[in-house]
Amino acid sequence: QSALTQPPSASGSPGQSVTISCTGTSGDIGGYDYVSWYQQHPGKAPKLMIYEVTKRPSGVPDRFSGSKSGNTASLTVSGLQAEDEADYYCSSYAGGNNILVFGTGTKVTVL
Amino acid sequence: QVQLQQSGPGLVKPSQTLSLTCAISGDSVSSNSATWNWIRQSPSRGLEWLGRTYYRSKWYNDYAVSVKGRISINPDTSKNQFSLHLNSVTPEDTAVYYCMRLLVATGDYWGQGTLVTVPS
Repeated sequence: QSALTQPPSASGSPGQSVTISCTGTSGDIGGYDYVSWYQQHPGKAPKLMIYEVTKRPSGVPDRFSGSKSGNTASLTVSGLQAEDEADYYCSSYAGGNNILVFGTGTKVTVL
Repeated sequence: QVQLQQSGPGLVKPSQTLSLTCAISGDSVSSNSATWNWIRQSPSRGLEWLGRTYYRSKWYNDYAVSVKGRISINPDTSKNQFSLHLNSVTPEDTAVYYCMRLLVATGDYWGQGTLVTVPS
């Protein structure tokens, strides 16, 4: 099972929006509504930000939103803040032998 | 609030077995809704799902193809924890290892991570 494809980097000024894409196949993203997004600060464990494509866990700001079209999922961070600067990873249920597949990761920089 | 606390050595010699433990609080390893997973992260391989154990009237395991044959993940109901054993390690197994609770396909709780180094 190959990793999901994300752009290596994305950036925006405070208050702006940034959208990160995550491209897979019909065997993962396209086949299931089980896409999650994680935020990871240096030296820390990943933190769940979005699950089941569009849902936000309690405590995650509504500036974070998710969507999916076909084999591509997206995470949008609106109203960028300094603390949003981090690495972001998508994941998808993939079934079969490899239950979960992760994205390659995107470093978000707040300019 | 669920918490996962990892323990285990940070240095493993080549060809030996990597062993880590994840102690669970706030949930049960015998939960009928959660699965208990190990993930690793390295610069070369990114985030990689390794395997899981879970209870649905009996115990099940699933393992990633990349490590199948070298891995076992075992529950310990008496201590409410689960463990990872990866044998015949090489420097390519050097990574930060995380335990994680997965609800269907959502990893909502993660351990703190353990850097395991296999020297060349």
